Amino acid sequence: EPEVTQTPSHQVTQMGQEVILRCVPISNHLYFYWYRQILGQKVEFLVSFYNNEISEKSEIFDDQFSVERPDGSNFTLKIRSTKLEDSAMYFCASRRGWGTYNEQFFGPGTRLTVL
Amino acid sequence: GDSVTQMEGPVTLSEEAFLTINCTYTATGYPSLFWYVQYPGEGLQLLLKATKADDKGSNKGFEATYRKETTSFHLEKGSVQVSDSAVYFCALTETSGSRLTFGEGTQLTVNP
Repeated sequence: EPEVTQTPSHQVTQMGQEVILRCVPISNHLYFYWYRQILGQKVEFLVSFYNNEISEKSEIFDDQFSVERPDGSNFTLKIRSTKLEDSAMYFCASRRGWGTYNEQFFGPGTRLTVL
Repeated sequence: GDSVTQMEGPVTLSEEAFLTINCTYTATGYPSLFWYVQYPGEGLQLLLKATKADDKGSNKGFEATYRKETTSFHLEKGSVQVSDSAVYFCALTETSGSRLTFGEGTQLTVNP
């Protein structure tokens, strides 16, 4: 069964460093998402991406964040200058099409630790 | 804005016990409602969903009914198993295909 994969599973970085979190969505999916979950808090939406552009973003997704689909298979989230409060589990998701009959499939997450 | 509130967790039950995890929501429109489950080391998986009032979503013995009058979508299972131990998330989406808004998640542990 196809699945969303994410790498790395755990990333440790120093405050102020840039990190890139990688996701490989399911191959025939067209809509891509990033969510995050700070320890002990809710899963929060960050951004959605369709047709090579951002379709929606939350107030969390400020200028420090960017997304890219560089090669037609990977979907990346870049944090330019990490802060302590960026420490969280980051989930990638993808879906085949529009409508609630097309569910979002989630990856296992990348745990980001900012020291 | 939209929000989802789940019952305070964690929940610990014995095998074959009845499970209820409460979920209420606030939304400006007419949302679709979901339950996702996360097993240890895995991503979020859709467990069940309901797209309109009085719809009942069901899967793997779990059920939840979309109650517009009480803005609720409580998850139930008549007899839990050890393999049901996981974190359960209630979620909604306002518009088909848009962002999911999640509740806090409820950790369920089922003991043999």
